[in-house]
Amino acid sequence: GAGVSQSPSNKVTEKGKDVELRCDPISGHTALYWYRQSLGQGLEFLIYFQGNSAPDKSGLPSDRFSAERTGGSVSTLTIQRTQQEDSAVYLCASSRQGDYGYTFGSGTRLTVV
Amino acid sequence: AQSVSQHNHHVILSEAASLELGCNYSYGGTVNLFWYVQYPGQHLQLLLKYFSGDPLVKGIKGFEAEFIKSKFSFNLRKPSVQWSDTAEYFCAAYSGNTGKLIFGQGTTLQVKP
Repeated sequence: GAGVSQSPSNKVTEKGKDVELRCDPISGHTALYWYRQSLGQGLEFLIYFQGNSAPDKSGLPSDRFSAERTGGSVSTLTIQRTQQEDSAVYLCASSRQGDYGYTFGSGTRLTVV
Repeated sequence: AQSVSQHNHHVILSEAASLELGCNYSYGGTVNLFWYVQYPGQHLQLLLKYFSGDPLVKGIKGFEAEFIKSKFSFNLRKPSVQWSDTAEYFCAAYSGNTGKLIFGQGTTLQVKP
């Protein structure tokens, strides 16, 4: 597609429920990144996929967070047993191999009530 | 660990004033440096980037940034700001060792008409 697409754009969920956030990167972009943007906290790196390599999960804040990327394209970020502190905007970005300027999606605003 | 620091969290300027936003990074090796902008209600967009060569980089909308290796800095400048420059600005650094962009905390710029 023309840009990085994320869905849903907004998600309100009850504490303790699981949520899935979806990212559809730009076609041909081999790298895909998830970041979390909290108020006043900047962008926090979560996980990074590059081609067929093992993902870099070093930024995932707890084992309640996981992500997968199927077929080298679409990625799903899953948060289990959501907590109020998980409320944030979750951003996905993609890039071509060797290009370090990411293209970001519009994000999913997650609110845990 | 690699980190990026933005010293100004909230800047308020009048139109036509000059702008300089500070950014320092901690990594001592080869880095690629970026400034991103997020206008209200919009997604992150790349303003400019530095990979190598001329340390003075010009980006979109009249912005520029200067890479000073000895100071580990990459400050963003604009000679004369406009009301439409009101946004949040993020500095970011990429190193091949980490394979990902690390962002600063962001600076909110408010330009008064």
